[in-house]
Amino acid sequence: KQEVTQIPAALSVPEGENLVLNCSFTDSAIYNLQWFRQDPGKGLTSLLLIQSSQREQTSGRLNASLDKSSGRSTLYIAASQPGDSATYLCAVRAWGGATNKLIFGTGTLLAVQP
Amino acid sequence: DGGITQSPKYLFRKEGQNVTLSCEQNLNHDAMYWYRQDPGQGLRLIYYSQIVNDFQKGDIAEGYSVSREKKESFPLTVTSAQKNPTAFYLCASSGREMNTEAFFGQGTRLTVV
Repeated sequence: KQEVTQIPAALSVPEGENLVLNCSFTDSAIYNLQWFRQDPGKGLTSLLLIQSSQREQTSGRLNASLDKSSGRSTLYIAASQPGDSATYLCAVRAWGGATNKLIFGTGTLLAVQP
Repeated sequence: DGGITQSPKYLFRKEGQNVTLSCEQNLNHDAMYWYRQDPGQGLRLIYYSQIVNDFQKGDIAEGYSVSREKKESFPLTVTSAQKNPTAFYLCASSGREMNTEAFFGQGTRLTVV
């Protein structure tokens, strides 16, 4: 059974710092991995989608990498800002039968201090 | 604007009542999903549908029901059989293919009073 883990559960950094969020998954048989951002009381906003054949994706100050063989992904945020404060979730779309669903980690709560 | 609309934003349910949460998308996506989010837990899949008139149970379907009569709409009914319905409910959609991106609505917070 596919399980997704995010460490740390919470992270606090000063403004301007570069940071890395981690996501690990137990089964490498995935179609893709997606990173989301969630603000308090809001829905999920898609940040980056990495297909299983890709190694990384970039969008602005965000860079996501994928190492399928080791079951790991990282989200790198450059020059962090207070507006980056949110919960970051990763999710994998796993192989297996006819299912077409995302399996989520429990998220990392990021606080960027001004 | 293309996107997913969930309504209402807040919903209150009395004991023994059924309530229905609305989810509408104009992204022309075949697949739609309902997730439940509780504090300290990851999102858990309730039901999903890959095509009109077809849907499948997710990991926590007991006490919930859905319908998929139109491509754009995937309403979720929380029945009186759901013993602990207070949670944040999220609807999502994606293309039917496995490599497509998923998009989420803004959620409905359901509270039992």
